[in-house]
Amino acid sequence: NAGVMQNPRHLVRRRGQEARLRCSPMKGHSHVYWYRQLPEEGLKFMVYLQKENIIDESGMPKERFSAEFPKEGPSILRIQQVVRGDSAAYFCASSPGTGPLEQYFGPGTRLTVT
Amino acid sequence: QKEVEQNSGPLSVPEGAIASLNCTYSDRGSQSFFWYRQYSGKSPELIMFIYSNGDKEDGRFTAQLNKASQYVSLLIRDSQPSDSATYLCAVSENQGGKLIFGQGTELSVKP
Repeated sequence: NAGVMQNPRHLVRRRGQEARLRCSPMKGHSHVYWYRQLPEEGLKFMVYLQKENIIDESGMPKERFSAEFPKEGPSILRIQQVVRGDSAAYFCASSPGTGPLEQYFGPGTRLTVT
Repeated sequence: QKEVEQNSGPLSVPEGAIASLNCTYSDRGSQSFFWYRQYSGKSPELIMFIYSNGDKEDGRFTAQLNKASQYVSLLIRDSQPSDSATYLCAVSENQGGKLIFGQGTELSVKP
């Protein structure tokens, strides 16, 4: 499967725990984007990363959220001390970075905070 | 605040008809325009992209862009029940970079 991969697909955390969401871009893609979709709301941009660089984090909440895309391995979106309001679908998208601009989405991680 | 506006719908069309979905955007500097389809509980699927004024056709889908009016549309010809989904308009101000999404238009195609 050459598509964007995300895991886990479903994640349940209690309030105060940490959530780690992983994203592996499509083969040949070097740019990763994270978006969040709250229940009954639209998709909102969170962060844009290239390998070892955060390009745009203008959509990231100031506290508790962080993202990385290391030289080796998947991109990680980390949410510390989760609260109920963090319950949402988190989607990762990737693009080649040069040439075509289109972003392709992974299946998403559904985070539920209890 | 840069915005992308879509009618939320639902838009209901009979099978075989043309469905017309519309989108306006506030940032005149926007350069790239995308249409995604999202089935309930699933992730967005890219169906069309357009970068230049005019029309772009791909199978039953036609995207139309008018930068002067800051308007993008998607036409779906010969609509099928399987086209029933939420259609998301997305805009990027740069050559690459973050997408700003509209709220989506729910399309229902009745057999």
